[in-house]
Formats: sequence, C-alpha cells, structure tokens
Amino acid sequence: AQSVTQLGSHVSVSEGALVLLRCNYSSSVPPYLFWYVQYPNQGLQLLLKYTSAATLVKGINGFEAEFKKSETSFHLTKPSAHMSDAAEYFCAVSPDSLIQGAQKLVFGQGTRLTINP
Amino acid sequence: SAVISQKPSRDICQRGTSLTIQCQVDSQVTMMFWYRQQPGQSLTLIATANQGSEATYESGFVIDKFPISRPNLTFSTLTVSNLSPEDSSIYLCSGGELGRNTQYFGPGTRLTVL
Repeated sequence: AQSVTQLGSHVSVSEGALVLLRCNYSSSVPPYLFWYVQYPNQGLQLLLKYTSAATLVKGINGFEAEFKKSETSFHLTKPSAHMSDAAEYFCAVSPDSLIQGAQKLVFGQGTRLTINP
Repeated sequence: SAVISQKPSRDICQRGTSLTIQCQVDSQVTMMFWYRQQPGQSLTLIATANQGSEATYESGFVIDKFPISRPNLTFSTLTVSNLSPEDSSIYLCSGGELGRNTQYFGPGTRLTVL
C-alpha cells in the first residue's frame, strides 16, 4: 500500500533562510505526488504536483520539489523563507493510477513551518 | 480550477445529535471525496462520494455513521450521525476530474461536539 512519511513534525527557519521540508513515499507503482499547504483555519491549497513529467517541479509562492526515485523522496524547498510561509504543509500520494481514475489521496502527517523574524 | 464551498463553516453540536455538511462545487467534477482531520492530525479519507449510488467507504468508516449523498456532479452531503466528542474534527470535501491529477479542497467544516 502506498504511504507517505514526512520527517519532522515541526520545522523552524529564519526569514530569508532556505526552507526544506522532507517527504518520503512508498509506492509499488509510479506515484503521483503532491504538496499541499494549509494556513490557519483554512482548507488545503495545492502547492505543486509530480505526475511523471519533469522531476523538478515548480509550484506557487516560490516553492519547488524534486522527485528522486532512487531515494523515494519528494522534498519541498524554497530558497528564501517569508513570514507568510508559516503554515502546515502536507505531502500526499495518489495510490491509484490515472487509468483507474480515482484520485483519493494518502497524506503524510504534516509539517508545521514556523518562520522566525 | 474548481472552487469548492462548504456549509456550515463550523458548528457546535450536542452529543447524540447529527450534523449534515454540504459541499458545492462551481463546476462539474467526476470525483468527490470526504476527509476527516482530527485535532493536530493529518487528513484521513472517509469515503468517495459516487453520483447516484452508494458511497465507497474506507476501512474504519461505515455508512450508518457517515451517510453520504451525491445527487449530481456538483453537490454532495456528509452526515455525521450520533455524535460523540470523538467526532470533533474538521471535515473537508474535495473534488477532481476523472483522469486528471489535481484535487481541489473545500475550506472545511469545524465540528465541536460537547
């Protein structure tokens, strides 16, 4: 069964510093991987997605993630943190292929990102 | 992209009662899902809402507790029945197109059971 592990439930960085949020997946088939962000008291917003095209995926708000099959990883990065990046970030895998069509997601535990001034 | 709204945004309910949550999508989506996010936790899929037929439930979730309706391609409801404090969570609906790889989420409904 597909699963996602996010290393670090809390990450704290200084404003302007590099953001690195780690995500490792387990999948028996080529996965579809996603990063979502959840701001306080809000729903989930899609940051970016990997769907077997380019391994380096660029998303919104300056975030990007690199798919590394050899490491089964899909870490999220941003070169320079901004105060507005403070939120909860979720990595997710879609256990079903597009052929089947179902898009139910399996989520990681989430990482709370804090930005220090 | 699809815009998804939910009603109510939050509610406080008494033990033993039920709450019905509505999910409206601004465009037709093939797939709709309901998730639960318990306090401080990640999201767990409750069920896939199927148009015109019974929902498909994940392990640990049953129809008697979480009845779901989906009368058309843009609307679904989730009822949380016989409420207990353990049901206090955020409930989110999502939608996506068949064969597409993007799923959009509603803002969630925050339920507190006293």
